[in-house]
Amino acid sequence: GNSVTQMEGPVTLSEEAFLTINCTYTATGYPSLFWYVQYPGEGLQLLLKATKADDKGSNKGFEATYRKETTSFHLEKGSVQVSDSAVYFCALRNTGNQFYFGTGTSLTVIP
Amino acid sequence: KAGVTQTPRYLIKTRGQQVTLSCSPISGHRSVSWYQQTPGQGLQFLFEYFSETQRNKGNFPGRFSGRQFSNSRSEMNVSTLELGDSALYLCASSLVDRGGTDTQYFGPGTRLTVL
Repeated sequence: GNSVTQMEGPVTLSEEAFLTINCTYTATGYPSLFWYVQYPGEGLQLLLKATKADDKGSNKGFEATYRKETTSFHLEKGSVQVSDSAVYFCALRNTGNQFYFGTGTSLTVIP
Repeated sequence: KAGVTQTPRYLIKTRGQQVTLSCSPISGHRSVSWYQQTPGQGLQFLFEYFSETQRNKGNFPGRFSGRQFSNSRSEMNVSTLELGDSALYLCASSLVDRGGTDTQYFGPGTRLTVL
């Protein structure tokens, strides 16, 4: 079947710290992978995506690399800011055009 | 381009009532998906409509239904509301991009509270 597993939160970091949020997936075929971010009181926003193995998605200082051998798509940022505080969702789209989301990881960045 | 819009943003209903939520996709997007988001279950897929046809369906009871109009606008209906239906309902529209990937763009959601 298809599923996404991401590290449980909440995660609390100091400003300028390094961020990693782990995400692994199970899928048939070759899925596309996504990271979405949800700020308080808002819907989900696409943060970055990768459509094939070894692709690296990047946006706003965040990066994630599609690793087929480890079925992972970990989110990283070198130096987080208070404004990055949000809930982050890893997701996959399978070849049947169905989306599967992880349970979300809450990040709080303190000054 | 305007983003995905959802109406209403907030709704309070009582058990047993029914409710209809509306979603207007980004112009040109023909696929609309609905999700239920709760603290305990996370984001759960309800259904997807494409060109007025239901293309995919999640594991929700028949009380949850939807439809899509010729202008791609979509509505979701929940009948005989239960307390457990209290959630944020998110709509997402998508367009197959040049890479052949359907990237979903989400609306702000409708917060439904069932009393």
